[in-house]
Amino acid sequence: AQSVTQLGSHVSVSEGALVLLRCNYSSSVPPYLFWYVQYPNQGLQLLLKYTTGATLVKGINGFEAEFKKSETSFHLTKPSAHMSDAAEYFCAVSRPSGGYQKVTFGTGTKLQVIP
Amino acid sequence: SQTIHQWPATLVQPVGSPLSLECTVEGTSNPNLYWYRQAAGRGLQLLFYSVGIGQISSEVPQNLSASRPQDRQFILSSKKLLLSDSGFYLCAWSVAAGPGDEQFFGPGTRLTVL
Repeated sequence: AQSVTQLGSHVSVSEGALVLLRCNYSSSVPPYLFWYVQYPNQGLQLLLKYTTGATLVKGINGFEAEFKKSETSFHLTKPSAHMSDAAEYFCAVSRPSGGYQKVTFGTGTKLQVIP
Repeated sequence: SQTIHQWPATLVQPVGSPLSLECTVEGTSNPNLYWYRQAAGRGLQLLFYSVGIGQISSEVPQNLSASRPQDRQFILSSKKLLLSDSGFYLCAWSVAAGPGDEQFFGPGTRLTVL
């Protein structure tokens, strides 16, 4: 079984401030972890993913996330928020299941960037 | 490069009417295909997935069905829509069976059932 918990359905930050979006996961097998971003009325786009190896993962648009096994966390950060970062962010965990990739998504965090 | 298309982009349908949403993928062969529904505040719910032509698996019981008549075509259907079928429907594809491989999402269809 696997699950994802995103703390905070809405997060507001000032332009130029640190962005921190929290994600905790539960998985019975070594997890594959993802962060996706969704702009209004669009599909999801991959920001970054962790599979194996280095626990600090860098993604697009200046985002990064750190896999912490002891804390079962995969928080997403960006040093300086930009207005264009306003969107909804989804954390996800994946495992193989019967020939396909079973992905469980969190409920999402909407990021508001205040000018 | 690979692209994924969905249509229509928006749809308003009366309760009890039929539904057909289409998804096509270009630039890849034998992809895994997925239908998700997104409701406000509830994240993404996997509805159906397919690992090949004619192979459909359902994750949740409902009045929706899916079909895969061609390798890169995935169709979501209903004979009679319910109010609860309203939502944002997303189609996605991935390479076969790799848990570390990301899913690529289409632009989505906004369905409103009145």
